[in-house]
Amino acid sequence: QSMLTQPPSASGTPGQRVIVSCSGSNSNVGRNTVNWYQQLPGTAPKLVISRNNQAPSGVPDRFSGSKSGTSASLAISGLQSEDEADYYCAAWDDNLNGVVFGGGTRLTVL
Amino acid sequence: QVQLQESGPGLVRPSETLTLTCSISAGSISSYCWSWIRQPPGKGLEWIGHIYYTGSTSYNPSLKSRVTISLDTPNSQFSLKLRSVTAADTALYFCARDLRDGYCDGEWGSWGQGTLVTVSS
Repeated sequence: QSMLTQPPSASGTPGQRVIVSCSGSNSNVGRNTVNWYQQLPGTAPKLVISRNNQAPSGVPDRFSGSKSGTSASLAISGLQSEDEADYYCAAWDDNLNGVVFGGGTRLTVL
Repeated sequence: QVQLQESGPGLVRPSETLTLTCSISAGSISSYCWSWIRQPPGKGLEWIGHIYYTGSTSYNPSLKSRVTISLDTPNSQFSLKLRSVTAADTALYFCARDLRDGYCDGEWGSWGQGTLVTVSS
C-alpha cells in the first residue's frame, strides 16, 4: 500500500493533454515538495518535475507540475509516443522521516 | 555530469546478507545526499534509505532493522547491506544522488542503471 495515491493508468492520443494526479496527506504532500519521475521500460527513473513545478534542464516544457494542499498533479501537453512510460510521484514524509512514493501511473499513448 | 554504477551479486541465498556498492565517477562523494531505492519485478518504487556526505543516515522504517548504508569516501563509493533477506527482497536496486547539495528529500537528479538481485536458494 503506497503512501501516495495515483491512478494506475492514464491514456491519451498524440497531441492531447494528460494529467496524472497524486494524493497524499499533511505529513507529506501537504508539507513538503513533490517530485515526479518518468520510468521507461527497463530503465532507471528520470526526474521530470522537481519541487512541485520545476522542470530540470533537458526536460521538455510540455511537462509541468502543480500542487494544492495535499494533492499534486503532473501535466503533459502535446502528448507524444515517447511519453509512454510509468510516472511516479514522491515526497518526503515528516512522520515516516523518509521518502514515500505513489504506486505509479502507466501512461499509454493511443 | 556525475555517473553512478551499482555492483554486487545477482543472487543471494535466503537469510544471508545482500551487499551492494554504488561507485561514483565524474563527481565528488564528499557532498550531496546518496540514496538506495528498489523496485520488485513488475511493482513500484520503494525508498530504502540515504546517507548524507557527513555520514548521517535515514532508513525506511519497514527495513530499518535490517539495513545499513555506509560511505567509502576514499574510493568514491557507498554501500548497502540488507540482512536476513527473503524472496520479498528480490528487486532491481538503484542508487541515486539528490539534485541539490544540502538536501535529502528525494529530488534525485542522478541515478545508476540498477542491478537486479534475486533471493533464492
